[in-house]
Amino acid sequence: ETGVTQTPRHLVMGMTNKKSLKCEQHLGHNAMYWYKQSAKKPLELMFVYSLEERVENNSVPSRFSPECPNSSHLFLHLHTLQPEDSALYLCASGGRTEAFFGQGTRLTVV
Amino acid sequence: ILNVEQSPQSLHVQEGDSTNFTCSFPSSNFYALHWYRWETAKSPEALFVMTLNGDEKKKGRISATLNTKEGYSYLYIKGSQPEDSATYLCAFYSGYSTLTFGKGTMLLVSP
Repeated sequence: ETGVTQTPRHLVMGMTNKKSLKCEQHLGHNAMYWYKQSAKKPLELMFVYSLEERVENNSVPSRFSPECPNSSHLFLHLHTLQPEDSALYLCASGGRTEAFFGQGTRLTVV
Repeated sequence: ILNVEQSPQSLHVQEGDSTNFTCSFPSSNFYALHWYRWETAKSPEALFVMTLNGDEKKKGRISATLNTKEGYSYLYIKGSQPEDSATYLCAFYSGYSTLTFGKGTMLLVSP
């Protein structure tokens, strides 16, 4: 248990569906991150929120929409995804001297 | 875009062998260097966080060194065991609130 909780753990969705991934931390961290890990590829940074403001968006397609309503919660809203978006989506919180990851959401787009 | 390079990409050693990996990162705007261990079906687990040039950290058989001036860190595993098999990730923390990961080194230790 890292203190970062992601739900759901597994998600199967059709290309026309809309779903959301949720990440929650109560570690007092100001920064939260979404990473994507595709099969046989390195960990890719998608979004960074610092003090609830988005500070980085690594050219992620608009079908991925992040939301950070407060410093403890981070969402990734998904709509009209493609099969190549199937991957493990990891949330992390932390910063300079520590970072903790959630267990990830294994997403399959059919 | 920050460039964090790890080598080798993968490594296969025998039980009892000692091994080491390299992480290269930008030498400017350095704040911290993190090492993580990532086992299959689990989330990455923090091993070390280093912030000062010349830092050396140790946890059991695993140790790490840091050279911020030349932009590299080494991770050493002494007497590798099968349970050390995992992907080892390094991550560079800059002043832009971003933790940028390398591609990782996949270690397989055979009994």
